[in-house]
Amino acid sequence: GAGVSQSPSNKVTEKGKDVELRCDPISGHTALYWYRQSLGQGLEFLIYFQGNSAPDKSGLPSDRFSAERTGGSVSTLTIQRTQQEDSAVYLCASSSPPGLAGVSSYEQYFGPGTRLTVT
Amino acid sequence: GEDVEQSLFLSVREGDSSVINCTYTDSSSTYLYWYKQEPGAGLQLLTYIFSNMDMKQDQRLTVLLNKKDKHLSLRIADTQTGDSAIYFCAESMTGYSTLTFGKGTMLLVSP
Repeated sequence: GAGVSQSPSNKVTEKGKDVELRCDPISGHTALYWYRQSLGQGLEFLIYFQGNSAPDKSGLPSDRFSAERTGGSVSTLTIQRTQQEDSAVYLCASSSPPGLAGVSSYEQYFGPGTRLTVT
Repeated sequence: GEDVEQSLFLSVREGDSSVINCTYTDSSSTYLYWYKQEPGAGLQLLTYIFSNMDMKQDQRLTVLLNKKDKHLSLRIADTQTGDSAIYFCAESMTGYSTLTFGKGTMLLVSP
């Protein structure tokens, strides 16, 4: 089946504008993760959704960042009043519950990312 | 806090073995991973090892874990130019929790 997809693949925005990044996880995956990859900072965890539980937001860098996951599937990461330091590649990953046939329970499958550039 | 460290760059010749090293600080890390990222592509899981294992071998890949020293290594035998990529070491406390990544090691394989 299809892997994790993300849109848009590239986004250029002006400082101060809001942006929304979308992630479509693999069907049936209950866990969804957002990470950010930037020069000098490597890969940083942002937020984690697991089923119907409250999300783990401990990695969000400021209150300008928020994410939601509707219907346990698609997730949107929103960055309000973007700043130049928000420029990065935003990666989404999903993983399966134990026991799903043919799929490793320990692998997070990553999407190709959204490259965000704030000018 | 948690920290994962790797050397930033490794250059080898085609056919040689490559060894990429990683150290981590969180003694409660249970799962340790190696991911590969090719230019313009997403992250691909290469292999993982549980903290109660010392070694795992998968074709050309060998992972060694020294839990006492919190040291993880990835050995790629008979390195090919197609192995050129950035390799990330990562750790998590459970198979389901978030990953803490190192900054990545860029492997350059020359013909």
